[in-house]
Amino acid sequence: DIQMTQSPSSLSASVGDRVTITCRASQNINIYLNWYQQKPGKAPKLLIYATSSLQSGVPSRFSGSGSGTDFTLTISSLQPDDFATYYCQQSYTTPPRTFGPGTKVDIK
Amino acid sequence: EVQLVESGGGLVHPGGSLRLSCTASGFIFSSYSMNWVRQAPGKGPEWVSFISNKISPTYYADSVKGRFTISRDNAKNSLYLQMNSLRAEDTAVYYCARDISPAYDALDFWGRGTMVTVSS
Repeated sequence: DIQMTQSPSSLSASVGDRVTITCRASQNINIYLNWYQQKPGKAPKLLIYATSSLQSGVPSRFSGSGSGTDFTLTISSLQPDDFATYYCQQSYTTPPRTFGPGTKVDIK
Repeated sequence: EVQLVESGGGLVHPGGSLRLSCTASGFIFSSYSMNWVRQAPGKGPEWVSFISNKISPTYYADSVKGRFTISRDNAKNSLYLQMNSLRAEDTAVYYCARDISPAYDALDFWGRGTMVTVSS
């Protein structure tokens, strides 16, 4: 199975900061990488699919890049609504569709 | 508006069974593949199972293979997860989630989830 790792596991940032989260796959997954945002007590929300495609309704301050095994999610200017946990997920193989362990973004 | 509403969760003893349901509205259910994803308390999401819009194929995580069965009734806009031989490690919030399109696997709409607790 493909394993996903994320770094950092958590970070503290201020409103307006540029934030970058990294996701790494244990093997080549081409561009089959998705990003989700989750707030406490809520279901995950799709932000970006296929590495860089912004899901409808998601603010343009979110962007994704990468290919192969290394991917990044960037928030260009962190907003109060962005404090949450972010998960990457590979969809190169099913089963299973593996999620990363998550990156928690909280307020500095 | 797309809506997914899960039901059927609850407290069950180890070895017991439970059947989860997910009722869909706001889209043509029969056109979309569906999934179950679970999240144990304090943990990240874990994909559990997939079913094609055409009923077949179905796929399962190794952790539930042979114990869980996914199914759907397109006439009733409903998705199901039959869970047998439940274990403590199956305790989680269970979400149903829609695939974004036939051409790509990403979960674009999720329900609010239903809690399953396996405990004696």
